Order: sequence, then structure tokens, then C-alpha cells
Amino acid sequence: AQSVSQHNHHVILSEAASLELGCNYSYGGTVNLFWYVQYPGQHLQLLLKYFSGDPLVKGIKGFEAEFIKSKFSFNLRKPSVQWSDTAEYFCAVNAPQAAGNKLTFGGGTRVLVKP
Amino acid sequence: DVKVTQSSRYLVKRTGEKVFLECVQDMDHENMFWYRQDPGLGLRLIYFSYDVKMKEKGDIPEGYSVSREKKERFSLILESASTNQTSMYLCASTFSGISTGGYTFGSGTRLTVV
Repeated sequence: AQSVSQHNHHVILSEAASLELGCNYSYGGTVNLFWYVQYPGQHLQLLLKYFSGDPLVKGIKGFEAEFIKSKFSFNLRKPSVQWSDTAEYFCAVNAPQAAGNKLTFGGGTRVLVKP
Repeated sequence: DVKVTQSSRYLVKRTGEKVFLECVQDMDHENMFWYRQDPGLGLRLIYFSYDVKMKEKGDIPEGYSVSREKKERFSLILESASTNQTSMYLCASTFSGISTGGYTFGSGTRLTVV
């Protein structure tokens, strides 16, 4: 079974700072990788996804993530954060050959951006 | 836009009550899921269904059951609610071919068991 770990539970930073959130997964086969974001009081939204091809994936709102297969990692980055990036971020992995396309999520990272 | 609708935003129930959480999606998705979200634990899969009347246990199915009589509706049932089932419950759906995108989530039901 796959598992996902996110290194930080809470991150606090100032506007214009750079953000990097770590995500590691454990699964021996082919995986699809996702980052979701949950803004305060809102439902989960897809930020970006990786299925195959270029390991550097660009998503919405200036976010990007890099898949490093040898490290089983899929870290999320943003060069310059804004106050509106305050949210909880979830990394998730899916094994496409498994029945039902179930996603396994990490524990989430709460990001607070100070104005 | 795909919509996943959960019937209640907030729910308060007593210990021992039978609780039904309803989820409806309007995009003909084959797969539907129930997660619970707890601080520091992320989202944990309770049950999922990849077809009508089909169901599979997720990672934490104990104390829960599900029903999928129609393609668009997936119900989560707490047979006898307990305080440790106080949580945010999220429903999600997707096509069977996930390469077309990610999941679509509902807004969640915050259940408090007293």
C-alpha cells in the first residue's frame, strides 16, 4: 500500500518569501502525484498534478512541483508567496493500476503568510 | 463545472445514533469516495466505490458502512455514532480514467458527536 509523508505540519512566512513544501511517498510502482490546496472555509482544489513526462510541473497561481523519482519526492514550490496563499496544502499519490483510483494523502501542511 | 454536493454542512448527533451522510455528484463519475479529515492526519480514506452497488474498504472503515444504489449518490453510514467519529467528512468523485484530472471534492460535512 502507498503512503505519503509531508515534512512540515506548519509553516509561517512573510509575503514575498519563497515557499517549499516537502512530500515523500512510498510505493514501488508507477504513481500519479498531486498537490491539493484548501483555503480557509473552502473545499479542496487541485493545484497541480504529475502523470508522466517533464518532471517539473507547473500549476495554478504560480505554483510548481518537481518529481524526483530516485528520491520518491514531489516537492511543491512558489518563488514569492502572497497573503492569499494562506491555506492548507496536501500532497497525494495514486497508483493508477489499482482499482477505484483511490488517492492516498499526506498529513497536510498549514501555511500562514504574514502580510 | 462538476459539482459534488454534500447534504449537510454541519451536523450534531448523539452517541449511539445512526447517522447518514449523503453525497451527490452530477458528472456521471464512476468512482466516489468518502474521506475523513482530521488535523495533522490529512485525509484518510474510509470507503470508495467504483460502480453502482460496488464498494471497497479504505484505510479506516471500522464503524462505517456505505451504500451506492445509484451512480450519482454515495452515502456514508455511521451505524452507532461515537465521539471519536467527530470529524470533517469529505466526499469526492472522479472518472475511472484519472488521467483526465484530479478528484472533485464536496464542501464537507463537519460532524460533531456528543
